[in-house]
Amino acid sequence: DAGITQSPRHKVTETGTPVTLRCHQTENHRYMYWYRQDPGHGLRLIHYSYGVKDTDKGEVSDGYSVSRSKTEDFLLTLESATSSQTSVYFCAISEGGRIAKNIQYFGAGTRLSVL
Amino acid sequence: GESVGLHLPTLSVQEGDNSIINCAYSNSASDYFIWYKQESGKGPQFIIDIRSNMDKRQGQRVTVLLNKTVKHLSLQIAATQPGDSAVYFCAEPDGGTSYGKLTFGQGTILTVHP
Repeated sequence: DAGITQSPRHKVTETGTPVTLRCHQTENHRYMYWYRQDPGHGLRLIHYSYGVKDTDKGEVSDGYSVSRSKTEDFLLTLESATSSQTSVYFCAISEGGRIAKNIQYFGAGTRLSVL
Repeated sequence: GESVGLHLPTLSVQEGDNSIINCAYSNSASDYFIWYKQESGKGPQFIIDIRSNMDKRQGQRVTVLLNKTVKHLSLQIAATQPGDSAVYFCAEPDGGTSYGKLTFGQGTILTVHP
């Protein structure tokens, strides 16, 4: 998985609790992304980062926050988990730049269940 | 668009057959395209890409064809194997934005029967 580690791989939590998912990369790539994947919606971008401390919202950012204090780590936090946030979450990285450097490489995913 | 895992186009083939998976893209200004494979329970895996100044690109057992006139991509898999069973989807740059964002198609489910 292109030097990308997501943790945890599986998590079950209760509604209203905070949850943090971690993405760690060893490729020194500039860009990092968080997606969720649900039946009926495909891959949807939650947040992305274009450098340390530089982040921006994607199309489904409500209820999520992110932080990137180091090049290698990108954290996704659900401040107060809801059942609608039950999903599979993928982290992706890309080198950034022209053409092929924008290919995104994905982690193995985190399956989150909010009860 | 189609749903991942629900109402996705499906393609069922016999082992050894050739498979063709299609994708329509939306942005005529896109300068490259990417194909991904996603096996059950795994993250999407990069297969092959093609630049917009090319009509065809070949990899190992895979060929991607690009028809810019009708904004259509196809992924051809030769001598399909059971291990090729997966969801395949294409991606293109996200409408001229920077930061490497991509727009993903919903995908096609390929099932290979031994």
